[in-house]
Amino acid sequence: LAKTTQPISMDSYEGQEVNITCSHNNIATNDYITWYQQFPSQGPRFIIQGYKTKVTNEVASLFIPADRKSSTLSLPRVSLSDTAVYYCLVGDIVRAAGNKLTFGGGTRVLVKP
Amino acid sequence: DAGVIQSPRHEVTEMGQEVTLRCKPISGHDYLFWYRQTMMRGLELLIYFNNNVPIDDSGMPEDRFSAKMPNASFSTLKIQPSEPRDSAVYFCASSFDSTPGLGEQYFGPGTRLTVT
Repeated sequence: LAKTTQPISMDSYEGQEVNITCSHNNIATNDYITWYQQFPSQGPRFIIQGYKTKVTNEVASLFIPADRKSSTLSLPRVSLSDTAVYYCLVGDIVRAAGNKLTFGGGTRVLVKP
Repeated sequence: DAGVIQSPRHEVTEMGQEVTLRCKPISGHDYLFWYRQTMMRGLELLIYFNNNVPIDDSGMPEDRFSAKMPNASFSTLKIQPSEPRDSAVYFCASSFDSTPGLGEQYFGPGTRLTVT
């Protein structure tokens, strides 16, 4: 699985857009980019997954440049309830075997009123 | 669907005791994952199954840990004997087989294990 690097923490205010960039320089051809959100005392929750260009769903957008060595999760108009830890994962379930899939430290996003 | 169900939600045991954690995945999901989360090591994959067959257990910390999936609706993670360093939150997750990449995994609420 590709090693990922993302900021440890970010602060924002209600109504603002939050963009979290994840670096994954050694991404492989078959790898997808997946983002999860985790609230305290809960299991992670899937947000979005993409392979290239842009993916959008009802909660977020994922921007992936042509070289795929990074990706940016965009959360539009955040609210206090978006305060959570956000994890970037890069890989493929078939190739995950033996690669010790780890979510890492993630990015702690704090949304202030 | 009720989502992924884990039991117990909290477990406190003494060192040396056997601990069994249980998981019921979402009906129809083909993959089942066991994770462990600690402050020091983050969220780590311990083992995962595909169609009830263990695919990769390289994340299992040592022989004291074992996992089984006797059928599509039930899995257990057992620690015998337990040690204080096993204290953590253990999550079970499941997903569809056809999902690409790492897939959309649905996590359970977790079991908080404390070994004294």
